[in-house]
Amino acid sequence: AQSVTQPDIHITVSEGASLELRCNYSYGATPYLFWYVQSPGQGLQLLLKYFSGDTLVQGIKGFEAEFKRSQSSFNLRKPSVHWSDAAEYFCAVGPNTGFQKLVFGTGTRLLVSP
Amino acid sequence: GAGVSQSPRYKVAKRGQDVALRCDPISGHVSLFWYQQALGQGPEFLTYFQNEAQLDKSGLPSDRFFAERPEGSVSTLKIQRTQQEDSAVYLCASRRLAGGGELFFGEGSRLTVL
Repeated sequence: AQSVTQPDIHITVSEGASLELRCNYSYGATPYLFWYVQSPGQGLQLLLKYFSGDTLVQGIKGFEAEFKRSQSSFNLRKPSVHWSDAAEYFCAVGPNTGFQKLVFGTGTRLLVSP
Repeated sequence: GAGVSQSPRYKVAKRGQDVALRCDPISGHVSLFWYQQALGQGPEFLTYFQNEAQLDKSGLPSDRFFAERPEGSVSTLKIQRTQQEDSAVYLCASRRLAGGGELFFGEGSRLTVL
């Protein structure tokens, strides 16, 4: 069965420090992988996605993620966090065929300290 | 419209009442998804429409849940005889194509069942 694990429920990072959010997935075939961000009271916004090719993908707002097939991971990184990055982050996996129903992780809440 | 619009944003229902949640997708988008997001959890798939056809309803929790998209644009998620466990945020998302491309989420409808 498809599943996504985000082991960190909460993470606190100082403003200006680097960030890494972990995501591990279980999927029977080659997956499509996504990171979404959700601010309070807002819908989910796509940060970046991996379909194929280069395993390091760049997204919006200075985020990047690296696909590591051997570790079944797709960790999200940012070199310098801004206070406006405080939000909930969701990793998701979907098939590369059909209508691409997504399976989401439980999310990681990022807190940014001054 | 400019984005995916959902209404109402907030709904409080007494247990046993019927509720209807509306989703206006981005104009011209073929694909429409409904997800349920319980408190502290990631979104979980409910159902998928391609135009007016409901191609997958495997995520609907019970026969009290019903969704429709009769003209291939606006969609309604109906929950009959609401229960406390139905309390959640219901997210609608649309995509321009049947497969591939970015999924755009609405801000959600928060349902509280008392």
